[in-house]
Amino acid sequence: NAGVTQTPKFRILKIGQSMTLQCTQDMNHNYMYWYRQDPGMGLKLIYYSVGAGITDKGEVPNGYNVSRSTTEDFPLRLELAAPSQTSVYFCASSYDRARNTEAFFGQGTRLTVV
Amino acid sequence: AQKVTQAQTEISVVEKEDVTLDCVYETRDTTYYLFWYKQPPSGELVFLIRRNSFDEQNEISGRYSWNFQKSTSSFNFTITASQVVDSAVYFCALTPNRDDKIIFGKGTRLHILP
Repeated sequence: NAGVTQTPKFRILKIGQSMTLQCTQDMNHNYMYWYRQDPGMGLKLIYYSVGAGITDKGEVPNGYNVSRSTTEDFPLRLELAAPSQTSVYFCASSYDRARNTEAFFGQGTRLTVV
Repeated sequence: AQKVTQAQTEISVVEKEDVTLDCVYETRDTTYYLFWYKQPPSGELVFLIRRNSFDEQNEISGRYSWNFQKSTSSFNFTITASQVVDSAVYFCALTPNRDDKIIFGKGTRLHILP
């Protein structure tokens, strides 16, 4: 089973560039999440989705956008990259609401903005 | 406020020693859910346990055990007879009943020395 797949694994962006972080899950999960992990800071929720066509902001949404056109895919878009967006990004999914079940995480995308 | 505090940033123990990772949480909700996740050096987060606020029974799974105490708002995790493979970052997390967000602590980096 592939689970949650994130691409790319590593990326270096220049300030002001844009990119999309891809996330795909093959478990038919309705709930999907994007987190960022900064050193020593735990994980902070950027956006989440409770199903295709539905997205909502998390704790730190500024500078990011998401879409959820299918159950499987939940891409995260960075517009006008800034050094503050240097981080490790994790996509996760769960079949039920976060409170009811475990979340499955991808292996992360390490992004550096220079 | 909804918050998870893991006061131990980093712990080192010698293999076969027991080690306890502390987790203290804050929430206004009377119903909530607590989790522990492990992040090995490979990077992805792996679910360990979920506990709801009505279930204060301690849980044991092999060398792992969890102590949930509502009176002190704590959900501590103990590894008995630690092994080098236990080396990882461990995250405690909270989901309030009314929410779909997972609130993570900052994590505790555990080093098991051979």
